[in-house]
Amino acid sequence: ETGVTQTPRHLVMGMTNKKSLKCEQHLGHNAMYWYKQSAKKPLELMFVYNFKEQTENNSVPSRFSPECPNSSHLFLHLHTLQPEDSALYLCASSQDASGGADTQYFGPGTRLTVL
Amino acid sequence: GQNIDQPTEMTATEGAIVQINCTYQTSGFNGLFWYQQHAGEAPTFLSYNVLDGLEEKGRFSSFLSRSKGYSYLLLKELQMKDSASYLCAVMDSNYQLIWGAGTKLIIKP
Repeated sequence: ETGVTQTPRHLVMGMTNKKSLKCEQHLGHNAMYWYKQSAKKPLELMFVYNFKEQTENNSVPSRFSPECPNSSHLFLHLHTLQPEDSALYLCASSQDASGGADTQYFGPGTRLTVL
Repeated sequence: GQNIDQPTEMTATEGAIVQINCTYQTSGFNGLFWYQQHAGEAPTFLSYNVLDGLEEKGRFSSFLSRSKGYSYLLLKELQMKDSASYLCAVMDSNYQLIWGAGTKLIIKP
């Protein structure tokens, strides 16, 4: 089983749609992350969950809403997005986000296009 | 502010050696990571350095100088499959990763 999976791999949506991205990790980790990756820009950390509790929200607009029902699953709910939100959305997991230089393991990402 | 700099793009020849540099200015330092990312795929972990010096792992080596705020990734015996983006990331005093924009490496036959 692949360590971190994401669905869908590609998503095209209009600005008035509502959709959700799903991430699942099979590594037994306790921390999960959402990142945004735009062309030729550094990865932008969006949200961090540690033991199902949100510990980081990097000033992300409210049109992005995360949900972490358990340590293995992470969702990103999308509504009324803007064209500039088009990007690759990466999910990652690590053992623990409460301190320590843990290695993060990434999923393949969802390529999102907002029309 | 916090900043990670790495070249945008590099080109090298199959079988040769290439060095990808990364310089950083961060609030605190808890280690430096290198990741490889093929187009359309997940970034995959390559190396972690927290002490000065060279870490060798097969064809790939990573070097760190904390006093200079500098690291490099050395790739030997280049293969076509090494064509990818290489991401440098520093873990700051809050254990948050600060990322560079990545270096796209093009390997030519």
